[in-house]
Amino acid sequence: EAGVAQSPRYKIIEKRQSVAFWCNPISGHATLYWYQQILGQGPKLLIQFQNNGVVDDSQLPKDRFSAERLKGVDSTLKIQPAKLEDSAVYLCASSLVPPRHYEQYFGPGTRLTVT
Amino acid sequence: AQSVTQLDSQVPVFEEAPVELRCNYSSSVSVYLFWYVQYPNQGLQLLLKYLSGSTLVKGINGFEAEFNKSQTSFHLRKPSVHISDTAEYFCAVSDPISSGSARQLTFGSGTQLTVLP
Repeated sequence: EAGVAQSPRYKIIEKRQSVAFWCNPISGHATLYWYQQILGQGPKLLIQFQNNGVVDDSQLPKDRFSAERLKGVDSTLKIQPAKLEDSAVYLCASSLVPPRHYEQYFGPGTRLTVT
Repeated sequence: AQSVTQLDSQVPVFEEAPVELRCNYSSSVSVYLFWYVQYPNQGLQLLLKYLSGSTLVKGINGFEAEFNKSQTSFHLRKPSVHISDTAEYFCAVSDPISSGSARQLTFGSGTQLTVLP
């Protein structure tokens, strides 16, 4: 079974530029998550989708971050404009729907450096 | 709101020695508990989980953890570590009773385990 795919793996941009990350979850997983992991911290949830609907985006900085999951499969996370404090690893994860939602499978992440 | 505290940010240990990584959580309701491992430049991989039943949970790579409700702890242990166990370990908690589908993971800040030769 293929795992969660993410691209790119690394990205370096200057502040005020825009960037987009892509995630392809495990086939059949209806729930998709985007996390931000700042160096030295645990992952923090940004947004959760179930199929193509948003379940929770309460921690997403909506003035600069946006995410979509068209057709309930792939997802993209965009930052526009980027700030220095956005430097982090962006992790995508997927899981089955409740009650089997508790086991999340993570992709390798995209390491973003904002200079 | 739930929170997770990992008491040690770094744990160095010699190869073949035992190790314990500590995790405490705060929650007013019952919880699901997890340990994830993150190797350099990789995503998180589930080591083990506690959902219900026996408080001693066995996971992959010889790790185990014990759920202690009275002490709100879920410490991770391994009797003999290998060089390949060097990684960052994250404890996480999820609320199984919250409404709707938003049953999310709250992570601790991580413990870097370094196994020395």
